[in-house]
Amino acid sequence: DAGVIQSPRHEVTEMGQEVTLRCKPISGHNSLFWYRQTMMRGLELLIYFNNNVPIDDSGMPEDRFSAKMPNASFSTLKIQPSEPRDSAVYFCASTFGVGNTEAFFGQGTRLTVV
Amino acid sequence: GESVGLHLPTLSVQEGDNSIINCAYSNSASDYFIWYKQESGKGPQFIIDIRSNMDKRQGQRVTVLLNKTVKHLSLQIAATQPGDSAVYFCAENILHKGKFYFGSGTKLNVKP
Repeated sequence: DAGVIQSPRHEVTEMGQEVTLRCKPISGHNSLFWYRQTMMRGLELLIYFNNNVPIDDSGMPEDRFSAKMPNASFSTLKIQPSEPRDSAVYFCASTFGVGNTEAFFGQGTRLTVV
Repeated sequence: GESVGLHLPTLSVQEGDNSIINCAYSNSASDYFIWYKQESGKGPQFIIDIRSNMDKRQGQRVTVLLNKTVKHLSLQIAATQPGDSAVYFCAENILHKGKFYFGSGTKLNVKP
């Protein structure tokens, strides 16, 4: 298996633009997480899906952030409009079941908003 | 709870020595505690976990100790190698919530 695949690896965009980050979880996994990593705040859980349904989005910072999982093999995290403070590395992770401690992370998307 | 990190503490060890990385947690309701390793430019990678009703668990070259009295978790790495250089995160998991939260991380620097 190729693991969790995220795209793009790097994204540089101007403030105010829409940004869409993509994630393909490991086949067969039914739990998917989006995390944001910054030096100041570490790894923050943004949203968690189980069986394509958002279970907990309490970590989503603002209405500018939205996430979808239209099917078991694809998820998106969208920021509209983007702001410089959104600059971070965004990780997607997947696992099987609920409460499985071993989550598999993608390589991340480094987002820079200028 | 959620992870909040300002400046990563750094642990420097000599190759071949044992390393001990510590973590304090806050949530007594956590069911599992987990250690992840993150190498530069990569996503976190699972190392080992321990259920909350245990106090010790061993893996290959790694041992995790859990002290629930003082809410303290540690990861011991035996015979540390240059490939162990990375940032190590502890995480808490509450099973019925299905999600887990990461601590702020410790950077391990292995000197050859």
